[in-house]
Amino acid sequence: QVQLVESGGGVVQPGGSLRLSCEASGFTFSSYGMHWVRQAPGKGLEWVAFIRYDESNKYYADSVKGRFTISRDISKNTLYMQMNSLRAEDTAVYYCAKEESDRTAWFQHWGQGTLVTVSS
Amino acid sequence: QSVLTQPPSASGTPGQRVTISCSGSSSNIGINYVYWYQQLPGTAPKLLIYRNNQRPSGVPDRFSGSKSGTSASLAISGLRSEDEADYYCAAWDGSLSGPVFGGGTKLTVL
Repeated sequence: QVQLVESGGGVVQPGGSLRLSCEASGFTFSSYGMHWVRQAPGKGLEWVAFIRYDESNKYYADSVKGRFTISRDISKNTLYMQMNSLRAEDTAVYYCAKEESDRTAWFQHWGQGTLVTVSS
Repeated sequence: QSVLTQPPSASGTPGQRVTISCSGSSSNIGINYVYWYQQLPGTAPKLLIYRNNQRPSGVPDRFSGSKSGTSASLAISGLRSEDEADYYCAAWDGSLSGPVFGGGTKLTVL
């Protein structure tokens, strides 16, 4: 069965960096686009970034463009999110999600989430 | 400010039918499929409806979705206490090149 397991969250100071990982199993990782979606405490879902199945394109929300970088390692079945220049407003639970169809909002499978707290 | 607009709250009594609306634009709902997610406290979102009105395996037929123009709605019939959760609509936005979510609707079962 499909499993997505995030890791790498924690407490970081404003301006700092963090790298999130999402280890995937139970499906052909190289055949599916992957997304990061976050949820600030008490708030709704916010899409963060997307990498197409063939890595031909990467898309970012305006709120993180230029600071966050999404990538994937097919050999390790792992999705990453490098987060730099972190701000207090980046504090959230970060979920990775597997896209069921290219360039849709169709997420059948989600990870359990990893909490990122940006605070001094 | 979310790209898709949902009412912040909805409520109903057990057995009742409740509808949650989702309003978008020509760059998202108007030309792409709508998806609905249910989120219980402290858990990841769960897919409830895909491609406007399709239910994944295991989702009760009490849940149904529809779409018309740039709006969509989720209907829950035979309301049950375990339906108390946050509900989100979502669609791909061609202008933003990414999925967009509604702000979420908190459903209370009275």
